[in-house]
Amino acid sequence: GAVVSQHPSRVICKSGTSVKIECRSLDFQATTMFWYRQFPKQSLMLMATSNEGSKATYEQGVEKDKFLINHASLTLSTLTVTSAHPEDSSFYICSATPGGLHTEAFFGQGTRLTVV
Amino acid sequence: GQQLNQSPQSMFIQEGEDVSMNCTSSSIFNTWLWYKQDPGEGPVLLIALYKAGELTSNGRLTAQFGITRKDSFLNISASIPSDVGIYFCAGRSPEGAQKLVFGQGTRLTINP
Repeated sequence: GAVVSQHPSRVICKSGTSVKIECRSLDFQATTMFWYRQFPKQSLMLMATSNEGSKATYEQGVEKDKFLINHASLTLSTLTVTSAHPEDSSFYICSATPGGLHTEAFFGQGTRLTVV
Repeated sequence: GQQLNQSPQSMFIQEGEDVSMNCTSSSIFNTWLWYKQDPGEGPVLLIALYKAGELTSNGRLTAQFGITRKDSFLNISASIPSDVGIYFCAGRSPEGAQKLVFGQGTRLTINP
């Protein structure tokens, strides 16, 4: 299967600082990537769709100024949590789809963000 | 918005038993995907289904795309300890572009 790499896997930051999470498709190009947030013992919640070369599309209730998404190349999307607060602590996961006839989505390893 | 109802929410079984879980939707999907997630990891794709009625196997796993296009099931035969984890169904609707809708997950626990 296709490989999606997410970095870092864990990060601890202080309140008020910003944190950048990277999502890379290692062996395919992805014009679209997705960012999810997952709370303990819950399912994945779609935050936004990252579009290469254009603005991201955010789901209802997700603050675009809080969660900045940049998709500058066909293999890299970044999510920046700005001015992080403890309530932003969560598990963030990205996914990408190789495209073509079959459209499976492959996920990164996830990033555990802890804001102290 | 679209929702997937996944059941059961949790299962406690003995090693060697078979497992069955399913997802239903109020609307039609054109793709069904089944994932397994281990603690602290991202979901890993198990099986992908693209046609109504399609039955696909991956080792001890078997999944089917319902004829009505509104449901799918996943079976695991002869469970082993490494099957422990959370299983998610996910569907893609004809109108949803590449977006996936996820079920609530089934947490599988196996007693050795």
